[in-house]
Amino acid sequence: TQLLEQSPQFLSIQEGENLTVYCNSSSVFSSLQWYRQEPGEGPVLLVTVVTGGEVKKLKRLTFQFGDARKDSSLHITAAQPGDTGLYLCAGAHASSNTGKLIFGQGTTLQVKP
Amino acid sequence: DVKVTQSSRYLVKRTGEKVFLECVQDMDHENMFWYRQDPGLGLRLIYFSYDVKMKEKGDIPEGYSVSREKKERFSLILESASTNQTSMYLCASSPTTGERWSGNQPQHFGDGTRLSIL
Repeated sequence: TQLLEQSPQFLSIQEGENLTVYCNSSSVFSSLQWYRQEPGEGPVLLVTVVTGGEVKKLKRLTFQFGDARKDSSLHITAAQPGDTGLYLCAGAHASSNTGKLIFGQGTTLQVKP
Repeated sequence: DVKVTQSSRYLVKRTGEKVFLECVQDMDHENMFWYRQDPGLGLRLIYFSYDVKMKEKGDIPEGYSVSREKKERFSLILESASTNQTSMYLCASSPTTGERWSGNQPQHFGDGTRLSIL
């Protein structure tokens, strides 16, 4: 079974602080997706990274795919209360032809004003 | 915008009942998925379907079945509900690329059904 390990599971920080969430696996993925889920809603896609070493930026969020395509990170600069939510990484295996994803356990982020 | 609609936001049922959770998507997506979400465990795939009348088991299919008679609708069935099936259930859909490899396609989720089995 392929696993995606996310860390930390919980993070509570003050507004303005920086943070990094990690997503690690022993398996190679052909792409990695990051989602954010707010209470009472389903996850919403933030970004997809495809190429080893790729870096994508979404305002204050920076996503990186590891060179070996086994890991990824999400870095948030100057966190704001609106960033509060559950962050999920999800990997697609190269042999998948059905859109099946493997999800990490999630990181619950709380940003206090 | 893609819309994935789950029939109920909250549902309370009794042990032994047969429970139906319905999901409808409006974007003509080939792939549809059912997950359950429990604290600390992330999203675990129950079943998925890549075409009408096609279904494949996910990681935790025991105690569940599915039905996909029409492309837009994917139903999850709890044959005989048990208390350990109390959970948040999420439905998702995604398109298939022309080459049949869909790994880069995002999944679009409904808002979930919180199911309690008493």
